[in-house]
Amino acid sequence: AQSVTQLDSQVPVFEEAPVELRCNYSSSVSVYLFWYVQYPNQGLQLLLKYLSGSTLVESINGFEAEFNKSQTSFHLRKPSVHISDTAEYFCAVSEGAAGNKLTFGGGTRVLVKP
Amino acid sequence: DGGITQSPKYLFRKEGQNVTLSCEQNLNHDAMYWYRQDPGQGLRLIYYSQIVNDFQKGDIAEGYSVSREKKESFPLTVTSAQKNPTAFYLCASSPKTVRTSGTYRNEQFFGPGTRLTVL
Repeated sequence: AQSVTQLDSQVPVFEEAPVELRCNYSSSVSVYLFWYVQYPNQGLQLLLKYLSGSTLVESINGFEAEFNKSQTSFHLRKPSVHISDTAEYFCAVSEGAAGNKLTFGGGTRVLVKP
Repeated sequence: DGGITQSPKYLFRKEGQNVTLSCEQNLNHDAMYWYRQDPGQGLRLIYYSQIVNDFQKGDIAEGYSVSREKKESFPLTVTSAQKNPTAFYLCASSPKTVRTSGTYRNEQFFGPGTRLTVL
């Protein structure tokens, strides 16, 4: 069975500083990887996804994540954060043969300080 | 304007009462899901449905029930058997798994959530 571990439950960071959110997964088959963002009292929004091809994927608002198969990781990074990036971030994994089911990590709460 | 709606946003119930949470989507998605979110535990899958009139238990189905009589609707009932029902409930949907250029699309789209508080 697949599992997802987000190593940091909370990450405080100053505005304009870089941030990295770590995500590791366990699976014995090919996987598809996702990062979702959740603002307070809202649903989840897709930030970016890796399905195949280039291992580095980017979002429209400056986030990027790199799929590393050998380390079974999909860490999320942003070189310079804004106050508006304060949110909770979830890493999720889907095994392709299992259809659309997702397994989520426990989430990382990012607090951007001025 | 396509999307997923959940109602109500906040719901209060007395202990021992059943309560039904609504989830509607107009994205023409085949699959729908219910998750429960508790602080520090991420999202846990309660039930999911890949097609009308069929659904499967997720990881924490005990104390919950669902129906899928229409493609657009996937209501969740929290029964009195659920030991700790206070939580944030999220509904999601996804298109049928399709093969595009050798990959499967598995993206899920989420509703705004319902916060249930049992008093």
